[in-house]
Amino acid sequence: QKEVEQNSGPLSVPEGAIASLNCTYSDRGSQSFFWYRQYSGKSPELIMFIYSNGDKEDGRFTAQLNKASQYVSLLIRDSQPSDSATYLCAVNEYSGGGADGLTFGKGTHLIIQP
Amino acid sequence: GAVVSQHPSRVICKSGTSVKIECRSLDFQATTMFWYRQFPKQSLMLMATSNEGSKATYEQGVEKDKFLINHASLTLSTLTVTSAHPEDSSFYICSASRVGEPQHFGDGTRLSIL
Repeated sequence: QKEVEQNSGPLSVPEGAIASLNCTYSDRGSQSFFWYRQYSGKSPELIMFIYSNGDKEDGRFTAQLNKASQYVSLLIRDSQPSDSATYLCAVNEYSGGGADGLTFGKGTHLIIQP
Repeated sequence: GAVVSQHPSRVICKSGTSVKIECRSLDFQATTMFWYRQFPKQSLMLMATSNEGSKATYEQGVEKDKFLINHASLTLSTLTVTSAHPEDSSFYICSASRVGEPQHFGDGTRLSIL
């Protein structure tokens, strides 16, 4: 059974600091990895996706993937109070993630303290 | 960016009622649409995968006769919860994608069965 594990938190980070969110997955055949942000009562919003080992940067966000360790992380630089949300890690066995359903972690609740 | 519209956003109805939820991709033709369900403080769980013009593929434990999925076109999928009961109360979220691209989620439908 495919599993995606995340620390549920809450993770509390001061405004302006770097928030680091981690995720591990059980299916070694996973090919695509996603980070979604979900505000309370709302649906998930795509933040980043990564398919290859290494780092991928987009603005204040950096996704890191290590397939050998089955580990993916999300760094948020210069954290803002508006970043406070639940961050969901999701994986898919196909490249691109559009052909098959995603397996989600339970999410990490991030709180940015002003 | 890709826009996925879901309607209605909130439904409150009596036990035994059937409820239809629509999911539309507004600015692209989706090769595949997915239906997820999220219970309070839980992560999203895939219910079914739907391709235009073919029968939906249901995940283990999801009753296909209770959760009817119709995918009539490349921009519209519907989920009908038949004879809904209180245990069906949940947040239902659809997503749409093109091959090789990440999934984009609708705004979700909060279903409350009294």
